[in-house]
Formats: sequence, C-alpha cells, structure tokens
Amino acid sequence: DFVMTQTPLSSPVTLGQPASISCRSSQSLVHSDGNTYLSWLQQRPGQPPRLLIYKVSKRFSGVPDRFSGSGAGTDFTLKISRVEAEDVGVYYCTQAIEFPLTFGGGTKVEIK
Amino acid sequence: EMQLVQSGGGLVQPGGSLRLSCAASGFTFSNYWMSWVRQAPGKGLEWVANIKEDGSEKYYVDSVKGRFTISRDNAKNSLYLQMNSLRAEDTTVYYCARFGWERNFDLWGRGTLVTVSS
Repeated sequence: DFVMTQTPLSSPVTLGQPASISCRSSQSLVHSDGNTYLSWLQQRPGQPPRLLIYKVSKRFSGVPDRFSGSGAGTDFTLKISRVEAEDVGVYYCTQAIEFPLTFGGGTKVEIK
Repeated sequence: EMQLVQSGGGLVQPGGSLRLSCAASGFTFSNYWMSWVRQAPGKGLEWVANIKEDGSEKYYVDSVKGRFTISRDNAKNSLYLQMNSLRAEDTTVYYCARFGWERNFDLWGRGTLVTVSS
C-alpha cells in the first residue's frame, strides 16, 4: 500500500502570512499513463472535505489562486500564499494511483 | 447544482447491519466512479470502497472486505453501502464522494454518522 506522510501535524500561521504543507509518499505516484495522481483536500471545522488541488498542481474549480501545489515523484507541497481566516481547517493529501486509495494523516492549519 | 444527499446512518449493535444511501443530482451519475470514505471522530480520512460507473468493478479497504458491499442503481442515481457484521471500530462518519475523471474526490456528501454500540 502507498503510505502518505504529512508534515507538520499542525501549522500555526499569522493572518496574511504563507503556509506550507509537505506530503511524502512511500512510492512514486507517477502512473503508467504519465500522470501523477496526488490531490489535496481541505476540511473546514464541521464540514465535509473539499477538493483543492488535483494531479499535483491543478486547482479545482472555484479554488482561490492563493492555493498552489507542486512536487514530483514522492514529494509534494501545498502552499497557501497568504493565509486567510477561512483557510482554518485540516488539509489532507491523497493518492489515487492504485487501490487501496490512501490519505495522509492531515495537517491542521490554525491562526496564531 | 451538483449534490450528494446521504441517508441511513444511526445506532446499531455490534454484529448488526446497516445500509447507507447516497442520492446524486445535478450531474450524470452513470458517468462516474463513486466512493465511500469514512472518518472516525477527531481522526483522519480513510477510503472504504470504490465502484465503477456500471458497477462492474468494486474495490475495498482490507478492513471491510467480506463485510461491506458497495453498489449502485444508475436508474435511481443512487449509491449504497451495505454494512454487515459491524464492529465498534466501524463507528465513524461515512461520506459518499464522486471519484472524478481525474482520479480525485471532487464532490462530497455531508456525511452520515454510524455508531456501533451495545
């Protein structure tokens, strides 16, 4: 199985400052079709998860451009350029290269 | 508006059964894989199962194989999760999610709580 490891567990951030979350996979996430199926989800308190980024760096419809994804192979990063109050929540990376689909343990973004 | 409306959660005794439902609207349900994902209280996300557009392929996490069955009725735009032999550790919120063409969870239901307790 693909083990997804996120760091840090928690990220206290000042409003308007950047935040960065790392996700590492135990194996390469490059599929035989050439795509890398790594996504990022946001879960605000009391809400279901919401897709932010897919295939490493593609922003989903309606996602603000302060969110960006990067990386390749086994190492990936989600960046928030300027954290806003509505960005508070838990962020998860997930791989969809093969079953079982797996998630990282989550990173909690909170305001200092 | 695209949405997934879930129903069917509740309290069940260990060893019991429960069926979750997820009604899709606002998109062509039969064109998408669908998923169930769960989340224990205060914990992270765990993928449970996926089903292909026509129901011909199904995949499960090891911990539910032989106990849970994912199914769908494209005529009713509905996804189901039949859960048998329930255990205390199955106590979680269950989300249905659309598994998009880019292999992502691009639409989520609001979740339904299943509590397994005597």
